Amino acid sequence: QKEVEQNSGPLSVPEGAIASLNCTYSDRGSQSFFWYRQYSGKSPELIMFIYSNGDKEDGRFTAQLNKASQYVSLLIRDSQPSDSATYLCAVTGNQFYFGTGTSLTVIP
Amino acid sequence: EAGVAQSPRYKIIEKRQSVAFWCNPISGHATLYWYQQILGQGPKLLIQFQNNGVVDDSQLPKDRFSAERLKGVDSTLKIQPAKLEDSAVYLCASSPSGGFLDTQYFGPGTRLTVL
Repeated sequence: QKEVEQNSGPLSVPEGAIASLNCTYSDRGSQSFFWYRQYSGKSPELIMFIYSNGDKEDGRFTAQLNKASQYVSLLIRDSQPSDSATYLCAVTGNQFYFGTGTSLTVIP
Repeated sequence: EAGVAQSPRYKIIEKRQSVAFWCNPISGHATLYWYQQILGQGPKLLIQFQNNGVVDDSQLPKDRFSAERLKGVDSTLKIQPAKLEDSAVYLCASSPSGGFLDTQYFGPGTRLTVL
């Protein structure tokens, strides 16, 4: 079992829709959870992080964490073509692990 | 504030050759990370430094990879000898303290092709 798993995609949504990205992790001791965005040929850049159960909102982005289910998600509201990228979930516990990423395409 | 610097940006070598990558973190950042990102995969942590000490190198293939961070600032990652499967982007990142809420800032990466 991989330490961090993401829905592999690719995911396509129309402009203005909500994009939902999901991530599960195996280490129950994981403490913090990050969402990074990576454009093709570029380096990852942080979108947001969460460490407490529940929701955390930042602009059009909402991260949701459920430690009991070992599940973290990212919602992107009012998706824009500029949101088209690969989204990486990362988890900090004993070590720092990235998932394989979910490719998102927002169709104008 | 200057970002994480890496060089070279691209490198093409033949298998069994040696290669070295350099990284200069954001000024004042205590923690430095080296990642390997194979096409279509997420970054894999190779080694994490806290100042000039190694925090985690459990996923570093130590028979061929080595890394150092002398003086706790810039760092070098070396591969000797390279294999075809080492073709990847090597990312360097830094963070202020390495705490579990630390944000990692990534450099532009070095794309390595092993022929």
